[in-house]
Amino acid sequence: DVKVTQSSRYLVKRTGEKVFLECVQDMDHENMFWYRQDPGLGLRLIYFSYDVKMKEKGDIPEGYSVSREKKERFSLILESASTNQTSMYLCASRRPRQTGYGYTFGSGTRLTVV
Amino acid sequence: ELKVEQNPLFLSMQEGKNYTIYCNYSTTSDRLYWYRQDPGKSLESLFVLLSNGAVKQEGRLMASLDTKARLSTLHITAAVHDLSATYFCASPPGGYNKLIFGAGTRLAVHP
Repeated sequence: DVKVTQSSRYLVKRTGEKVFLECVQDMDHENMFWYRQDPGLGLRLIYFSYDVKMKEKGDIPEGYSVSREKKERFSLILESASTNQTSMYLCASRRPRQTGYGYTFGSGTRLTVV
Repeated sequence: ELKVEQNPLFLSMQEGKNYTIYCNYSTTSDRLYWYRQDPGKSLESLFVLLSNGAVKQEGRLMASLDTKARLSTLHITAAVHDLSATYFCASPPGGYNKLIFGAGTRLAVHP
């Protein structure tokens, strides 16, 4: 089974800090995704990447950037954390077509910005 | 733009009863995913439906896909308390990688 590992389960950061959320998958998948989940708003796509150094904006990219220097690792960066970025962040990796296109999610990082 | 709508958003069920959660999506898509989420946890994959008419079953849950009607259903048979969770459907817009999620159906099964 695919394993998607998010480096932190809980994080507390101060307003204005630069924050790095790390995500690693172990199956050489090309496609990786960052979502945030908020009560009443569901899951919203922040960024996704379809290959090393390739990225595309999702629906809510403002205030975020991403980095994909190696295939297995997809990092989400909050350039200057703000309280409205307090949320649950979920990373996902997608299987290729021949294995059914399934998406596997990491365990999530609950970020609190104070 | 693809929109995914689930209903109901909240479902309180008695143990032993049957019910269906509906997932409608607004534009052409050939795949539909169902996930389960327990409170404070991440998303667990339940079903991946890859073609029109696809039906998959796991225990008391059965999912189906009708791409012509742009409708997927998640049917719960003889509900038990362990099924209490939030269920999400998700679909990728045609030709895209990203998943668009429904708002989720919060299921509570009680005696």
